[in-house]
Formats: sequence, C-alpha cells, structure tokens
Amino acid sequence: QSALTQPASVSGSPGQSITISCTGTSSDIGSYRYVSWYQQHPGKAPKFMIFDVSNRPSGVSDRFSGSKSGNTASLTISGLQAEDEADYYCSSYTSTSTWVFGGGTKLTVL
Amino acid sequence: EVQLVESGGGLVQPGGSLRLSCAASGFAFVGYGMIWVRQVPGKGLEWVSSITGGGGVTYYADSVKGRFSISRDNSKDTLYLQMNSLRAEDTALYYCVKDLGGWPFYFEYWGQGTLVTVSS
Repeated sequence: QSALTQPASVSGSPGQSITISCTGTSSDIGSYRYVSWYQQHPGKAPKFMIFDVSNRPSGVSDRFSGSKSGNTASLTISGLQAEDEADYYCSSYTSTSTWVFGGGTKLTVL
Repeated sequence: EVQLVESGGGLVQPGGSLRLSCAASGFAFVGYGMIWVRQVPGKGLEWVSSITGGGGVTYYADSVKGRFSISRDNSKDTLYLQMNSLRAEDTALYYCVKDLGGWPFYFEYWGQGTLVTVSS
C-alpha cells in the first residue's frame, strides 16, 4: 500500500491553468478508473472534487477536471482563482481491496 | 444536511486502547458505506478502514490490521473504530467519512475529525 506520487507543490497565476499529476502502479491507477481528488484548505476537512477519474460531484466548479493515462492520473484547474489555493490529494482503489492516497500537492496562486 | 460528528479522541499511552465514535445524521445511514481516514497534523491523508452499509464486510489498511476494528450500529446511526495496541505512529486526526454510494467507496462527506495522541 505505497502512497501515490504527487508533486509537493505547484503554482500558477490567477486565470492560468495548472495540472497536478498523480502516479501509481498497475495495481491501482493503472487497473481501474476509480480515481478521486480532494481539496483541503488549512484547518479544514477535505472536500470531494472528482470521482471515477473525471466526474464532478454536484456543486463542484467545471473549472476542475480530471483525466488518466496509464498509471498516472491528473487534475487540471483552469481559470485559477485565489480561493483555489489549497492542498490537493488524489486517491485510488487498489487490487487488494484497499484505498491509497497521494502525498498531497500544495497549490499556490501567485 | 449531512453531518458527521466524531468523538472519543484523546491522549493515550503506547499499548493502550481507545474507541472512536461518529454520530451521523442527514442521510439514510444504513444505505452507505462508511470510512475512517487519518491525517497526522501537517501531513497527508491515510485511509484506515471501511465498512459496508450493512456492516457485513470490512476493510483495513495493513498498518492497522489486527489492531483496529471498525463497526457500526445502524439503529443508532453511529460508526465506531476500536483501536488497540496503539503506537506513537497512530497519532493523528481521525476523520469519519461517508461514502458516495455504490462501489468502490468514495470519500464524499467528511467530519471535522477527532485527535488521537499516543504518547507516554
């Protein structure tokens, strides 16, 4: 149950687009479309942002989108806004009926 | 409105036990899987355990298997996590999480967490 690999930090200016990668293995991301993403602001509980690789729950802005290729999933945020500054975590279901998170990525809006 | 309120955290010595509770409201509790996720302050998220709506099937991370036990009382809309043989590395904020519905579980709604500190 090794953690998925995410970049420690990414940054972008307001209005720009950024992409956060999440790399796993053939036992998790590579085998399933069961990838999800979570946003966490400081001192707050995580918020559910994306499921099934690219689906958005009701109420999540369409500026957030997800994709997957091979063992790597990605979260793209377009039209960056100051309120997007937060930590982002990916997660995947695994072949051993467990769940694994990425280490988290800190997004800074410049 | 979905509400998840955790309780039971606190300071415990290594080797000790603690039982966390999560009182759920605002949804049909029995119809959803439930999950515990933990987070060391300032660090990342770690999935701990999951349980199906009826309580018949449970899942555990290797790091807690054999020491932690997840359960639920659907008559009380309450989720539990019994933690035994606690170690310093179990120190974390423990979140109670509601599943989206369906399979596999997704972490849809999160409580505010209860802090567990394992220290002598």
